Amino acid sequence: EAGVAQSPRYKIIEKRQSVAFWCNPISGHATLYWYQQILGQGPKLLIQFQNNGVVDDSQLPKDRFSAERLKGVDSTLKIQPAKLEDSAVYLCASSRAGRGGLETQYFGPGTRLLVL
Amino acid sequence: SQQGEEDPQALSIQEGENATMNCSYKTSINNLQWYRQNSGRGLVHLILIRSNEREKHSGRLRVTLDTSKKSSSLLITASRAADTASYFCATDRTQGGSEKLVFGKGTKLTVNP
Repeated sequence: EAGVAQSPRYKIIEKRQSVAFWCNPISGHATLYWYQQILGQGPKLLIQFQNNGVVDDSQLPKDRFSAERLKGVDSTLKIQPAKLEDSAVYLCASSRAGRGGLETQYFGPGTRLLVL
Repeated sequence: SQQGEEDPQALSIQEGENATMNCSYKTSINNLQWYRQNSGRGLVHLILIRSNEREKHSGRLRVTLDTSKKSSSLLITASRAADTASYFCATDRTQGGSEKLVFGKGTKLTVNP
């Protein structure tokens, strides 16, 4: 079974520029998560999709971050414009049916973003 | 906001020794999970313990949960150099009608050969 795929693996941009990350979850997984992991901290949930609907985006800075999951499969996360404090690893994860606490989440390798 | 607090923040041991990491949390939880993260990689699920369980084993891993003290511990026995990684506890709670995992800051474990 192929794992969660993410691209790019690394990205360096200047502040105020835009950036987009892509995630392809494990085939058949209904739930997709985007996390932000700042150096030295644990992952923080940004947004959770169930199929192509948003379940939780309470911690997504909506003035600059947006995410979509068209057709309930792939997802993109965009930052526009980026700030220095957005430097972090962006992790995508998926699970079968969205019972977050009772199910294993499978994580991709992450995209490391550096904002200069 | 982060729910769990792992303790210690960093732990260095010799191969063959046991490693114990602790996690404390503040609010009621449904369940608790432990994840491992190797440097530069994504997280890997290790073990899930339900809120009505007190102890669970998986290979060299032993997890305990004390809901009265709002704490959990992860024990890795007979550690190996390959166990070097960061370990995170993640508490599952229902918030705003949705269930989600909230991760702690992690314990960085170094196992010296």
